[in-house]
Amino acid sequence: DTAVSQTPKYLVTQMGNDKSIKCEQNLGHDTMYWYKQDSKKFLKIMFSYNNKELIINETVPNRFSPKSPDKAHLNLHINSLELGDSAVYFCASSQDSRGLDIQYFGAGTRLSVL
Amino acid sequence: KQEVTQIPAALSVPEGENLVLNCSFTDSAIYNLQWFRQDPGKGLTSLLLIQSSQREQTSGRLNASLDKSSGRSTLYIAASQPGDSATYLCAVKGAQGGSEKLVFGKGTKLTVNP
Repeated sequence: DTAVSQTPKYLVTQMGNDKSIKCEQNLGHDTMYWYKQDSKKFLKIMFSYNNKELIINETVPNRFSPKSPDKAHLNLHINSLELGDSAVYFCASSQDSRGLDIQYFGAGTRLSVL
Repeated sequence: KQEVTQIPAALSVPEGENLVLNCSFTDSAIYNLQWFRQDPGKGLTSLLLIQSSQREQTSGRLNASLDKSSGRSTLYIAASQPGDSATYLCAVKGAQGGSEKLVFGKGTKLTVNP
């Protein structure tokens, strides 16, 4: 069983479109995260949620809207996609509400905006 | 603002060699430091987590040290194997701007040649 699963694995789309990436964790964790890894492989946090509540919003454009229907799911919706949004997006989860323990990562979603 | 630097950016060694990867961070007010491994096209796997009160952690052939006062950590890999080839990421957890988050380095790409 995959602990943190993301879908889709690959996403190719045109500029201006709206797309969503889904994430689910079956670890029973309370905290979930979205990270962006750019073309230079730099990994940076975007959002974190604890028990469906937004904890971190790292000055991400408001075209990005995370949604947490329950604590096992954290989806990422992106409006009006731009070329610069092309990156690999990783979902992660951890047990501790302050994230002081190990974070478990999904395999990533490679987004290409044409 | 916390910055994490990893040196070298890439390292190529013959199989069987012992090696050290370096990580430095600018703000010593951290909760913990984690070392991750990233394989191409895959997510991150946590290798070791060192709490701020600890000096080192060991797991199999891996040993990570932490010197919080000097802002440094090392990951020692003993008797390297081709299967160790991957990108190794260092990340520190601290309170930045009122929110607690992981800040990553850009990674060291390790190649172990048979």
